[in-house]
Amino acid sequence: EPEVTQTPSHQVTQMGQEVILRCVPISNHLYFYWYRQILGQKVEFLVSFYNNEISEKSEIFDDQFSVERPDGSNFTLKIRSTKLEDSAMYFCASSGPPVAGDKDTQYFGPGTRLTVL
Amino acid sequence: AQTVTQSQPEMSVQEAETVTLSCTYDTSENNYYLFWYKQPPSRQMILVIRQEAYKQQNATENRFSVNFQKAAKSFSLKISDSQLGDTAMYFCAFEWGAQKLVFGQGTRLTINP
Repeated sequence: EPEVTQTPSHQVTQMGQEVILRCVPISNHLYFYWYRQILGQKVEFLVSFYNNEISEKSEIFDDQFSVERPDGSNFTLKIRSTKLEDSAMYFCASSGPPVAGDKDTQYFGPGTRLTVL
Repeated sequence: AQTVTQSQPEMSVQEAETVTLSCTYDTSENNYYLFWYKQPPSRQMILVIRQEAYKQQNATENRFSVNFQKAAKSFSLKISDSQLGDTAMYFCAFEWGAQKLVFGQGTRLTINP
């Protein structure tokens, strides 16, 4: 069964460093998302991406964050200068294509645990 | 703005019992989707069940079923014959138009042997 994959599973970085989190969505999906979950809290939306551009972003997704689909398979989240409060689990999700009613069901990757020291 | 509320932070039942997790939401949209996701200790987000708002029939997936009350904006999850592997955090989520998922705060469910 197709699945969303994410690398690395755990990333430790120093405050102020740049990190890139990588995701490979399900191959025929068209909509891509990043969410984050601070330990013990609910899952929060960061950004959605469709047709090579951002569809929507939350207040959390400030200028320190960027997303890219550099090729036909990868979807990346970059944090330019990490802060302590960026420590969280980051989930990638994908959905689509708009057939069989599956456009609106998001499938999640296993997450990347980011620890900022 | 859509909001999702899960009023039960924690629940605990014995193995083989039936348990119901509550979820309410607020939206002005008419066509939308509702989901229950399970998050075990591994923290992976696993889709349990989904409900299309335009369908009156409640969704079922094996031991999991929902009670969807559109007028009341209520979407509860029933787990029958609960198993130890059902122990997890459960999140209710709302989605509209291939946009973001809005999650509730979660309910931590423990199944005791």
